[in-house]
Amino acid sequence: TQLLEQSPQFLSIQEGENLTVYCNSSSVFSSLQWYRQEPGEGPVLLVTVVTGGEVKKLKRLTFQFGDARKDSSLHITAAQPGDTGLYLCAGHNAGNNRKLIWGLGTSLAVNP
Amino acid sequence: GAGVSQSPRYKVAKRGQDVALRCDPISGHVSLFWYQQALGQGPEFLTYFQNEAQLDKSGLPSDRFFAERPEGSVSTLKIQRTQQEDSAVYLCASRSGAGTDTQYFGPGTRLTVL
Repeated sequence: TQLLEQSPQFLSIQEGENLTVYCNSSSVFSSLQWYRQEPGEGPVLLVTVVTGGEVKKLKRLTFQFGDARKDSSLHITAAQPGDTGLYLCAGHNAGNNRKLIWGLGTSLAVNP
Repeated sequence: GAGVSQSPRYKVAKRGQDVALRCDPISGHVSLFWYQQALGQGPEFLTYFQNEAQLDKSGLPSDRFFAERPEGSVSTLKIQRTQQEDSAVYLCASRSGAGTDTQYFGPGTRLTVL
């Protein structure tokens, strides 16, 4: 089983701080997605990256896909309490679009 | 509705009972997925349907788990003789096609087995 490792597992920061969440694997992924999940809800897709080295920005969130397509990062600038949630990375292995391989998630708490 | 819906939202079962969890995908979506999610962790794949065909059930943990989608729309995940380790949130997701486009998730059913 190919795994995606996320770090850190838990993160508690103050409003206004910056943070980075990492998603790493020893395997190559054809695409990688980042989701945010709030309690009692299903994950909601934030972004999909497909090209090695790709960088995508979504307001204060910056997503990067590694050159070798084995890793990704999510950087949040000036975090706000509304950013609190579980951040999950998930990827498709090349040749298998039937199921996503999921990381264990990073639980982020932004304190006012 | 516009999104994926699941029912019930919460289910408490005594150990040994059978349960049935329902998923209503987005209308017209070809692909449907079931996931199991433990508290504070990422989802784990259970099974995948393309229309009414169950193309992958490799994630079902035991033969007590059974899923169906007889008309290619609504799906039911059935767990027989529930055990405490079955307690989790069961998520359903649908996708418009069979490719790698976006999966849309329902809110999940939280199953607690006492």
